[in-house]
Amino acid sequence: AQKITQTQPGMFVQEKEAVTLDCTYDTSDPSYGLFWYKQPSSGEMIFLIYQGSYDQQNATEGRYSLNFQKARKSANLVISASQLGDSAMYFCAMRVNGANSKLTFGKGITLSVRP
Amino acid sequence: NAGVTQTPKFRILKIGQSMTLQCAQDMNHNYMYWYRQDPGMGLKLIYYSVGAGITDKGEVPNGYNVSRSTTEDFPLRLELAAPSQTSVYFCASRDSGTQYEQYFGPGTRLTVT
Repeated sequence: AQKITQTQPGMFVQEKEAVTLDCTYDTSDPSYGLFWYKQPSSGEMIFLIYQGSYDQQNATEGRYSLNFQKARKSANLVISASQLGDSAMYFCAMRVNGANSKLTFGKGITLSVRP
Repeated sequence: NAGVTQTPKFRILKIGQSMTLQCAQDMNHNYMYWYRQDPGMGLKLIYYSVGAGITDKGEVPNGYNVSRSTTEDFPLRLELAAPSQTSVYFCASRDSGTQYEQYFGPGTRLTVT
């Protein structure tokens, strides 16, 4: 079975600073993908970034980067130059390839950006 | 493209009533999913479909049914609603290929009283 763990309490960051949101995962399958989604207070789920288990480099998308440490089974999201609009819930999710593409989600982390 | 659309946005049901949550996507995606999100929690998979005519149970299927007669539509049926089904329901779809993300609809907030 797959499991995603997000245990940080609510996170706070000053505007324009960087913040790291932690995610650890557990799977025995060697082929998997890791995703981060953002859920603002309006409720929609917004895809941020993807990392494949065989990708050689850490994924980056604009101000988002994924610090992928395979041996430690961690996939932390780094947001650089935080903006007020980054205040939201952030979910880490995993998909084991071949498992009909089902996503397993963590419980999420609340991020608040202070002006 | 409208992406993934869900109706209704909000609904209040009485215990024992039934309803269908509608989901449609116009991206020609084969894979479609239904999740529920309870307060302060992540999403849990209810049912999913890998193509028209093919559905399968997810993590929390009890009390729900689905059908997939077309590529575009994936309705979720609640029979005999219970307070435990109070939640926000998300429909999602994705293209074939393991690297592709799921696109989510805006969600339906359901309250059962």
